[in-house]
Amino acid sequence: GQQLNQSPQSMFIQEGEDVSMNCTSSSIFNTWLWYKQEPGEGPVLLIALYKAGELTSNGRLTAQFGITRKDSFLNISASIPSDVGIYFCAGQLRTGANSKLTFGKGITLSVRP
Amino acid sequence: ETGVTQSPTHLIKTRGQQVTLRCSSQSGHNTVSWYQQALGQGPQFIFQYYREEENGRGNFPPRFSGLQFPNYSSELNVNALELDDSALYLCASSLGSGKNIQYFGAGTRLSVL
Repeated sequence: GQQLNQSPQSMFIQEGEDVSMNCTSSSIFNTWLWYKQEPGEGPVLLIALYKAGELTSNGRLTAQFGITRKDSFLNISASIPSDVGIYFCAGQLRTGANSKLTFGKGITLSVRP
Repeated sequence: ETGVTQSPTHLIKTRGQQVTLRCSSQSGHNTVSWYQQALGQGPQFIFQYYREEENGRGNFPPRFSGLQFPNYSSELNVNALELDDSALYLCASSLGSGKNIQYFGAGTRLSVL
């Protein structure tokens, strides 16, 4: 099935650094979401974006919905050890009640203390 | 805590067997979506149920089937299990309208031997 493009597969940063992640698609979405997954858990919603160009923050996290509606980015500022996990982007069309999510492969983030 | 609960947490089956996974949706949610997450991959959409009717299906064979009950809880059934069915199966519930954000359970880890 279709997957969104997230790369690299892994990122290693030092505690206190900022990190940016990008997600691209060949298709248009009208909602972009960012989820974080930790071992043994399901994905947890971090940020949802509903309009092209929208910039939304949630604490140290900031995400933007691309103008073309085919991309989004997530920025984490001043990283801390608990930021470790797998970050997934997901696109959604929200056509009526059929609102399936299309996910990227995820980026595994490691934070060195 | 998303209020979405899945059971069992882990399951081991042999090839050819059948399995039923269960999901209780968050209170007030009438839509349940099921996803398969293979190791190292993002979740892949299996199907969605809205008010007890199947409402969208991904690229999965008919041996993957489901049900949604009047209380909006749901089951995923997989017949004639294959080795490649080994994965984390995630359930997500949502309102089925408006922003329609999906909230995930912790998943069921299925191993097929």
